[in-house]
Amino acid sequence: ILNVEQSPQSLHVQEGDSTNFTCSFPSSNFYALHWYRWETAKSPEALFVMTLNGDEKKKGRISATLNTKEGYSYLYIKGSQPEDSATYLCAFIRSYGGATNKLIFGTGTLLAVQP
Amino acid sequence: DTAVSQTPKYLVTQMGNDKSIKCEQNLGHDTMYWYKQDSKKFLKIMFSYNNKELIINETVPNRFSPKSPDKAHLNLHINSLELGDSAVYFCASSQRGGGRQETQYFGPGTRLLVL
Repeated sequence: ILNVEQSPQSLHVQEGDSTNFTCSFPSSNFYALHWYRWETAKSPEALFVMTLNGDEKKKGRISATLNTKEGYSYLYIKGSQPEDSATYLCAFIRSYGGATNKLIFGTGTLLAVQP
Repeated sequence: DTAVSQTPKYLVTQMGNDKSIKCEQNLGHDTMYWYKQDSKKFLKIMFSYNNKELIINETVPNRFSPKSPDKAHLNLHINSLELGDSAVYFCASSQRGGGRQETQYFGPGTRLLVL
C-alpha cells in the first residue's frame, strides 16, 4: 500500500505570514511528485512537477523542495495572502514499469489566510 | 474556453438507477482519467485511457464502465447506483510523452448524490 501523507491537515495564518507544509511519500522507486492547488468549488490546478532529488521550484511567492532519498517535499508560501487560501495537494507517482501517470494523492493541507 | 469540462455538474438520482457522466477536453491530450473524491476528501484514481485504450483500471465495482469514443472524450456510466456511490467525480487529462513532467488537468467535478 502506498501512502502519501500531508501535514498539517489544516493551517490558519494571518495575512503576511510565511508558512510551509510537508508531503511524505515512499522513497523507493520514485518517479515524480506533483503539487496541486485546489480552491473550494474549483478544480485542482497544477503548481509544480518535481522529479529530481534536490529540485527546487518557484512560482511567485510559492516554492517547493524535494528530497527523494528520505521521501518528503516541502511547500513554502512567503507572505501569505487571502487569495492563497486553498487546499494544497501533493501526489506521488511511483516507477514500477506500469502506468507512470498514476497519481496517488495525499489528503491535502487546508490553508486559510485571514486578512 | 473550458479546458476539461464535465456534465452534469450535479446529479441527484435514486438508488438502482443507471446514470452517465460525460467528460470532454479540448487540450489535444491523448490520455484521460476518472477520479473519485471519497467522503474523507481523498482523490482516488478509477480509470485511465490513452488513445481510447484502457491503461489503468483500479479496483472499482464493475457497475462502473468507462467509455472513450475518441481521445477528447471519456464518459463514465454507472449501473444500479448505490448509496455509497455518492461522491464527487473528477475527470482529468494529460499528454503522455511528457516524461516525468506530465501534468494532469482537472475538470470541475460532478457531484453525484444517490438517494
